[in-house]
Amino acid sequence: QKEVEQNSGPLSVPEGAIASLNCTYSDRGSQSFFWYRQYSGKSPELIMSIYSNGDKEDGRFTAQLNKASQYVSLLIRDSQPSDSATYLCAVSGGDYKLSFGAGTTVTVRA
Amino acid sequence: DTGVSQNPRHKITKRGQNVTFRCDPISEHNRLYWYRQTLGQGPEFLTYFQNEAQLEKSRLLSDRFSAERPKGSFSTLEIQRTEQGDSAMYLCASSLVSEEAFFGQGTRLTVV
Repeated sequence: QKEVEQNSGPLSVPEGAIASLNCTYSDRGSQSFFWYRQYSGKSPELIMSIYSNGDKEDGRFTAQLNKASQYVSLLIRDSQPSDSATYLCAVSGGDYKLSFGAGTTVTVRA
Repeated sequence: DTGVSQNPRHKITKRGQNVTFRCDPISEHNRLYWYRQTLGQGPEFLTYFQNEAQLEKSRLLSDRFSAERPKGSFSTLEIQRTEQGDSAMYLCASSLVSEEAFFGQGTRLTVV
């Protein structure tokens, strides 16, 4: 089982600020990395996927991957109250069976 | 709606009863996954199918749990002789091979 650790929350940021979420994983053979957003009582929603080292930007979200450091992060720019949710880091070894972290809860203060 | 569909959305059952959940994946997706999530934790892998073949089952999964995917379409997850520790959200996801997985709305099970 691939161990996935996320920075402990909750994380509170003011509206318009940058929220920074971190994730480390134990299996060096991991190939695919995902960030899911989960609102309270709802199911996870895929927001970002990244497969190679470097940055990947999609709107206000930027994912960063460093395989040498076994580290993946998510930046949320211009945070909005609607971004308040739990963010789950997920890692796969190529078979797309996902190992998840426990999640970091983000609260955006208006 | 062309997303992953799960039924029922909520299930309350008495300890010792059997329950069955259904998942209808996105139509062209050949991979289907079952996960379980408890409060404050990330989803935990249970099992997955490629078409009708069950390719892997978590070693953590009790023999009381069984899953099927007849004809490679919908899937069912059955829990026999439910226990209070089975109370959780049961999530189904589907994907094409080598593509991102998308989750259904989940089935919340409460064992009383």
